[in-house]
Amino acid sequence: GAVVSQHPSWVICKSGTSVKIECRSLDFQATTMFWYRQFPKQSLMLMATSNEGSKATYEQGVEKDKFLINHASLTLSTLTVTSAHPEDSSFYICRVEGGTGDRNTEAFFGQGTRLTVV
Amino acid sequence: AQKITQTQPGMFVQEKEAVTLDCTYDTSDQSYGLFWYKQPSSGEMIFLIYQGSYDEQNATEGRYSLNFQKARKSANLVISASQLGDSAMYFCAMRERSYQKVTFGIGTKLQVIP
Repeated sequence: GAVVSQHPSWVICKSGTSVKIECRSLDFQATTMFWYRQFPKQSLMLMATSNEGSKATYEQGVEKDKFLINHASLTLSTLTVTSAHPEDSSFYICRVEGGTGDRNTEAFFGQGTRLTVV
Repeated sequence: AQKITQTQPGMFVQEKEAVTLDCTYDTSDQSYGLFWYKQPSSGEMIFLIYQGSYDEQNATEGRYSLNFQKARKSANLVISASQLGDSAMYFCAMRERSYQKVTFGIGTKLQVIP
C-alpha cells in the first residue's frame, strides 16, 4: 500500500488565492521531504528540501515567500502556493526520505497534485 | 553539464518484446545510487529499480533489470516481455553521496504497441 499520501490530487483555484498541498508519510518517520514541480512533458525540478523542525532550503530561483513550506512533524509537510497566478499551474509532487534498511533507497513519492490557476 | 542524460524522447515497442531505455550519468563521486521511476499519465512516480555504485551485480526486479556499466557511466533499464500497461514516461535518476539530492533526467516516453 501507499506509504506517502499527498492531497489534494488536483485543485482549481482563482488567481490571487492560496492553495495548500499536504504530504504525509503513513508508516515511517520522514526526516526529509522534497518538493518538486513538473511542467508538462518535462522532468521534475526540485523546488525545496525540508527537514523536520527547521526551515526549508530552497533551490535557486524558487521564491520562498511564494512557496511556503512547513515541516512541523516527522509525518507531515505542507506546501502553500500563495497568491497563485496562472503561471503557477503545474504538477507538484513530494518525495519523502526516511525509514530504515533497504526501503530507504526507494525515496517514496506522493501521488502528486495537479494545480490549475484560473 | 547534465548529470543525467536520457537521449530517447520516445520509444515504441511491440507487446511481449524487450526494450532498453538508455541513461548515462555524470559524477565524480565514488558513492552514488541510480534509480528508475515510471510515471503513468496519472502522474504518480512509481519506483522500479535501484543500483548502488558499489553493487557488483546488475539489479533486477521482476521484468525490470538495470544494465549497469560503471566505466561507461551508463545505467540502462531493460524491460522484458513488454505489456500494454508499461506505456508511460520513464525517468532515470541519481543520488550522489556528496550532493544528497536526487537529480532526474528528462525522461523517455515508452509506448507499447499491441
